[in-house]
Amino acid sequence: DGGITQSPKYLFRKEGQNVTLSCEQNLNHDAMYWYRQDPGQGLRLIYYSQIVNDFQKGDIAEGYSVSREKKESFPLTVTSAQKNPTAFYLCASSFPPGEGTDTQYFGPGTRLTVL
Amino acid sequence: GQNIDQPTEMTATEGAIVQINCTYQTSGFNGLFWYQQHAGEAPTFLSYNVLDGLEEKGRFSSFLSRSKGYSYLLLKELQMKDSASYLCAVQDSNYQLIWGAGTKLIIKP
Repeated sequence: DGGITQSPKYLFRKEGQNVTLSCEQNLNHDAMYWYRQDPGQGLRLIYYSQIVNDFQKGDIAEGYSVSREKKESFPLTVTSAQKNPTAFYLCASSFPPGEGTDTQYFGPGTRLTVL
Repeated sequence: GQNIDQPTEMTATEGAIVQINCTYQTSGFNGLFWYQQHAGEAPTFLSYNVLDGLEEKGRFSSFLSRSKGYSYLLLKELQMKDSASYLCAVQDSNYQLIWGAGTKLIIKP
């Protein structure tokens, strides 16, 4: 079955610790995205990658870092520099934007709580 | 700036019809998406419009007017499982998605 997986579903961390969220896809998508969702707000783009070994900052990249060493994987690290990290984090993937069927498909999400 | 507006919450009755509106102001337009999101879950794709007019897909239809910066999602024969948030997103000139805050739809028996 093709799809996107994120792990873990729930994550608790102490303030000041870095934490890495996993995102894997087997849809053969070139593009991958990380969003943050907070209550009452639209999804906000953290980072995106259109090809292996390349990624760009989104609207709220401060305090986050990513890597794209494999086409299938796009992990997100929430660093201690992120001032308000408690949120629902969503990973998505798509075929290259602007190339026809570029609908984004989402993983199940990781709910991060920083204590 | 870029802006997507949707009503925060709507209530409808099982078996009825509901229309969820979305208005947008963005830097360019390359398409409009509707997603459904149940509480605590990921958004799932419902529809895509890039040309003016109505796209029908079973009980769900989506309409677009590019000149008015306006779209709506129409849900017919409402079922309890349709209780969810509905997210409108516009693809701007850079093919990035700009997201509305979502409309929480409550279905009552």
